[in-house]
Formats: sequence, structure tokens, C-alpha cells
Amino acid sequence: DAGVTQSPTHLIKTRGQQVTLRCSPKSGHDTVSWYQQALGQGPQFIFQYYEEEERQRGNFPDRFSGHQFPNYSSELNVNALLLGDSALYLCASSFYPGAGPYEQYFGPGTRLTVT
Amino acid sequence: RKEVEQDPGPFNVPEGATVAFNCTYSNSASQSFFWYRQDCRKEPKLLMSVYSSGNEDGRFTAQLNRASQYISLLIRDSKLSDSATYLCVVSLSGGYNKLIFGAGTRLAVHP
Repeated sequence: DAGVTQSPTHLIKTRGQQVTLRCSPKSGHDTVSWYQQALGQGPQFIFQYYEEEERQRGNFPDRFSGHQFPNYSSELNVNALLLGDSALYLCASSFYPGAGPYEQYFGPGTRLTVT
Repeated sequence: RKEVEQDPGPFNVPEGATVAFNCTYSNSASQSFFWYRQDCRKEPKLLMSVYSSGNEDGRFTAQLNRASQYISLLIRDSKLSDSATYLCVVSLSGGYNKLIFGAGTRLAVHP
């Protein structure tokens, strides 16, 4: 059973460019969340997709947008890249079990460097 | 004030030691609690969910004190492989809420 997969693994972009990151959730999971982790910090929530719609959003500008496809995979798009967007971008997949803690499982991440 | 606060460490301990990490959270509406571990330049991996009555998984014991808004993780008989950053994580009520992470506590276990 494949876990959460993300592509690409690493990416180098220049300021002002646009980037698209991709995520495939764990089998059986229908919800995808995206997080940004800067060096030395814990991951910060960007947004969450369920049934192809953005269900929740964190404190990130509109330059960050996303999409979820019918097969539950998801993309994160960042426009007009800034140096401060350099970070590890993590995708987490989950499904709600109906009771108990709502556990999210992370992919290996995409390390984005903006120069 | 940060939503989830942890001592950043590092905690340097010898193999076989017992080490405890503490964490406090600010939102009393938090309903789900977790510990994740993260190895250098890797993704966070779920270590354990934390239940109100406390729970144990092998050498790891987690406790939750809702009145004090405090979560702890105890690692007994530390192994070299336990060296990692331990992230305290909370989630608000509801079936799909975002995870709120602390900045992590770094643990280094030495021979």
C-alpha cells in the first residue's frame, strides 16, 4: 500500500516565477492538506481540500492556491514567488473515521528554493 | 503567544536514559492531540495520538492534562534511533480540522 507521494522532490525557482507541486494521497484517504515548513519551525497549515473544494485555509496570501482532482490527488500552486517562500512543502492525507482522533499522514515533501 | 509551545532543546541524553518532553497549548477548544517525530530533512511521522486517560505504546507514554492545557511525552530506555525532533500537535474540534504544530523539541541520544 503506497503512502502519500509528492513530486518533485526538490525544486529551484527564481523570484517572480510560478510553481506547481503535486500530491497523491494514501489509498482510501479523501482529504488532502498542505503545510509549509520553514527551517527550524513546525509546519504551518496552508489549506485543505475535500470533495474537490477548499474546506479550510490558513493565513497565507492568495498567491497560494490549490486544486483537488476526482481521484483525490492535489496540486499546490504558488505565484509570484518570493525568497521567503523557500521551505519544505508537505502534503498530508487523511479521512475522518467518524470517531476518535483525526490522524493525518505526511508525504516526503517538496523542498523549494527560491533564488 | 504561540498556539503550541515546546522547549526547543536540544536534549542530549545517553542511551538507556528516560527523557520527558512537555508542551502547552493556548486554545481550550482543542480536541485532538498528537506527537509526531521528524528526522532531519524528512517528513513528520505520527508517533502517537494522545488520549485523555493517557496512553502508552512500548517505550513511549503520552499524557494529557486538559485543565492545564498541557501534553507530555515520556521516552523510556532511549535508543540511538530515537534521535529526532519531536513535534507536539493539536487540532480543534471537528472532524477535519487543521493540525497546529509546535516548533519541536530536538532529542540527541548518544552512546
